[in-house]
Amino acid sequence: NAGVTQTPKFQVLKTGQSMTLQCAQDMNHNSMYWYRQDPGMGLRLIYYSASEGTTDKGEVPNGYNVSRLNKREFSLRLESAAPSQTSVYFCASSESGQVRQFFGPGTRLTVL
Amino acid sequence: GQQVMQIPQYQHVQEGEDFTTYCNSSTTLSNIQWYKQRPGGHPVFLIQLVKSGEVKKQKRLTFQFGEAKKNSSLHITATQTTDVGTYFCAGHNFGNEKLTFGTGTRLTIIP
Repeated sequence: NAGVTQTPKFQVLKTGQSMTLQCAQDMNHNSMYWYRQDPGMGLRLIYYSASEGTTDKGEVPNGYNVSRLNKREFSLRLESAAPSQTSVYFCASSESGQVRQFFGPGTRLTVL
Repeated sequence: GQQVMQIPQYQHVQEGEDFTTYCNSSTTLSNIQWYKQRPGGHPVFLIQLVKSGEVKKQKRLTFQFGEAKKNSSLHITATQTTDVGTYFCAGHNFGNEKLTFGTGTRLTIIP
């Protein structure tokens, strides 16, 4: 099992460009999450999906959109990238409820 | 909104010394989880505490959940170089799948 996979691993964008971060899990988990990690601020939830077809905002959703394509895949889209979105982005998944989360390896995004 | 703070932000210890990180939530939690993130890596789940006053041990690591379910601690006895990384607590509010992460404590070991 690959667990949680993310693509790409690294990305550099110019201000105003758009891109989609991809995430997939092979553990048959119902819930999936997108976080961003900035120095000294821990991980902050951007969006999450409790099941296929549902999404909900987290703590910092502005500037992002998400799509739960199917049970396996959860993508994060930046429509018009800004330097403030320079960060490390982690996708995670879990079974339903308040249980442990499994994280992907992360995408390191720089917006110039 | 809910806030989860951790102290200290950084800790440098000699190998063999003990290490403790403290976690405090602004709200009462349903449960608390601890994760470890190695430099350049991703968070990896360590443990979950659910009951008020709960204490759990994993080899040299001792985890505690406060009586009021608003604070928690992680204590490592006799640190080793493999303990290097950032330790995060993360809490669930009641009836909510969203996990709020603490700010993390970065542990470095001086050999």
